[in-house]
Amino acid sequence: GAVVSQHPSRVICKSGTSVKIECRSLDFQATTMFWYRQFPKQSLMLMATSNEGSKATYEQGVEKDKFLINHASLTLSTLTVTSAHPEDSSFYICSARALGSRTNSPLHFGNGTRLTVT
Amino acid sequence: AQTVTQSQPEMSVQEAETVTLSCTYDTSESDYYLFWYKQPPSRQMILVIRQEAYKQQNATENRFSVNFQKAAKSFSLKISDSQLGDAAMYFCTLSGYALNFGKGTSLLVTP
Repeated sequence: GAVVSQHPSRVICKSGTSVKIECRSLDFQATTMFWYRQFPKQSLMLMATSNEGSKATYEQGVEKDKFLINHASLTLSTLTVTSAHPEDSSFYICSARALGSRTNSPLHFGNGTRLTVT
Repeated sequence: AQTVTQSQPEMSVQEAETVTLSCTYDTSESDYYLFWYKQPPSRQMILVIRQEAYKQQNATENRFSVNFQKAAKSFSLKISDSQLGDAAMYFCTLSGYALNFGKGTSLLVTP
């Protein structure tokens, strides 16, 4: 149980275009989803927290106009990288916390999306 | 604020041997969990083991066990009988609204 599906797994786009990444909880409802970014050989850095039906909360230094997050339902959150540039190339991972679970509970992670901007 | 520190960027172990990965943390919370996650080359984050702070007994999951020293705020991971499939990045993390990860330890397993 507790499967998080992230799509696409890999995407290559041209500089200046936008890319949407989807994160779905398949067998549970998630009030809260988290988006992380990971550079090669580095740790996961929290970008933003999305809550169903409300605006996302962004970590310091993350441009909210560049990384648009929408959490339209209890099973779907999307991250849109707008006007992508090569420096946005990275590995993006979403995670979710099940509805009703404690904040002490572990998160369930998607398989990640490798974004390459050419 | 919560912090997690992993001071070993890389570790190496021979197959069938035992290795210990270190982690220290700081938190003002009294009720918290600690987790070790594994990230193999596939990049999938896999929960390896969890420890509840109020429990004195160290958690164990098959070949994986922890040495939890609450007063010292230390949470190390011991991998026994290491296997080639254990090669991965290992992240220590502290529970909270969102998980904040240490820098990770890259574990190399040699035949």
